Amino acid sequence: SAVISQKPSRDICQRGTSLTIQCQVDSQVTMMFWYRQQPGQSLTLIATANQGSEATYESGFVIDKFPISRPNLTFSTLTVSNMSPEDSSIYLCSVGGQWGGTGELFFGEGSRLTVL
Amino acid sequence: AQTVTQSQPEMSVQEAETVTLSCTYDTSESDYYLFWYKQPPSRQMILVIRQEAYKQQNATENRFSVNFQKAAKSFSLKISDSQLGDAAMYFCAYRTRTSGTYKYIFGTGTRLKVLA
Repeated sequence: SAVISQKPSRDICQRGTSLTIQCQVDSQVTMMFWYRQQPGQSLTLIATANQGSEATYESGFVIDKFPISRPNLTFSTLTVSNMSPEDSSIYLCSVGGQWGGTGELFFGEGSRLTVL
Repeated sequence: AQTVTQSQPEMSVQEAETVTLSCTYDTSESDYYLFWYKQPPSRQMILVIRQEAYKQQNATENRFSVNFQKAAKSFSLKISDSQLGDAAMYFCAYRTRTSGTYKYIFGTGTRLKVLA
């Protein structure tokens, strides 16, 4: 299993500002993902954070809006840039998919962002 | 592309009774993982149960069991002896391997209410 810590757990932000969310894992992991969960909705994959290279973004998400860093195998950041009220969501860091492992994703507690 | 469908937005069950949550998926792959995740209100997403597609035997975890019908692409979750703590959103998820990495696809979720 993996223990994932996310910061901040929640924040209230002003329109037009940017916020960086940090994700720290207690062990080295190959795969790290960032999801968005809008209120009462399912999880939507934003991107796969790749160690030492650019993140792989899903359709509808772009690097300029959601820049991601992953400097090592235990840490990643997601920045939500130039925020608007539509960005109000829970952002979830998750890890897993280890080849030969149990196959499941582990989740952090999420970062709940409210944009005014 | 793979899809996961949960056709029941909300379900209710009496305490101590049994409830079944439905999930269907669409894929052309033969080897994959399926999961049920639980997300209590304002709390962390946790794994309930996993099923490997190559295993014919249905997975069980205490009061939780699945009915995996590979040919029908159906993966339902049965909760026996329901408890108040089972109240949560339940997400069905599928893991696919694409372009050398894993991707997890989530259904829209079923909100389970447990009535005392």
